[in-house]
Amino acid sequence: KNQVEQSPQSLIILEGKNCTLQCNYTVSPFSNLRWYKQDTGRGPVSLTIMTFSENTKSNGRYTATLDADTKQSSLHITASQLSDSASYICVALEGAAGNKLTFGGGTRVLVKP
Amino acid sequence: NAGVMQNPRHLVRRRGQEARLRCSPMKGHSHVYWYRQLPEEGLKFMVYLQKENIIDESGMPKERFSAEFPKEGPSILRIQQVVRGDSAAYFCASSPGQSAYNEQFFGPGTRLTVL
Repeated sequence: KNQVEQSPQSLIILEGKNCTLQCNYTVSPFSNLRWYKQDTGRGPVSLTIMTFSENTKSNGRYTATLDADTKQSSLHITASQLSDSASYICVALEGAAGNKLTFGGGTRVLVKP
Repeated sequence: NAGVMQNPRHLVRRRGQEARLRCSPMKGHSHVYWYRQLPEEGLKFMVYLQKENIIDESGMPKERFSAEFPKEGPSILRIQQVVRGDSAAYFCASSPGQSAYNEQFFGPGTRLTVL
């Protein structure tokens, strides 16, 4: 069964600090891995998309890493801002031609001043 | 270029009624996906449609749920005889093609509450 697991479930950090979110996936066949940010009451917004051949990808203060051998990914947030408070969702795409996404449960990040 | 639009944003139904959720994809996108997010859970894939075709409905409950994406007009997710367990946020996403590397753009969701 395809699964994506994230840790921690929730996280509180002080404004300006860094944090790292973890994701383990069991998706086969694996195509690519995505990180989304979901603000409360809104739809997810894509942060990064990485194929199995990519190890790292950045989008501003967000940097994602991928280890296709161990099936692990991380999302690092640098110099957090209050607006970073949201759920961060790790998502794996199945197959080469299909478009079915398997979502993790998300990590809720709260940035405090 | 407007993003993915969903309406209504909030929908309240009594048990046994029908719920119709609409999704207008981004301009130029012909692929639509529906996802359900139960309270305190992650999003779950329901169905993938192209214009006039259902490509993958492996995530759809076998009964009471149906989806369509007609040649003209929005995609519709229809839930007949709703039950309390159908209360959830329903998200629609669209993409321009079938490539696995295409980004899916999500709408704001419809929050369905069944009384």
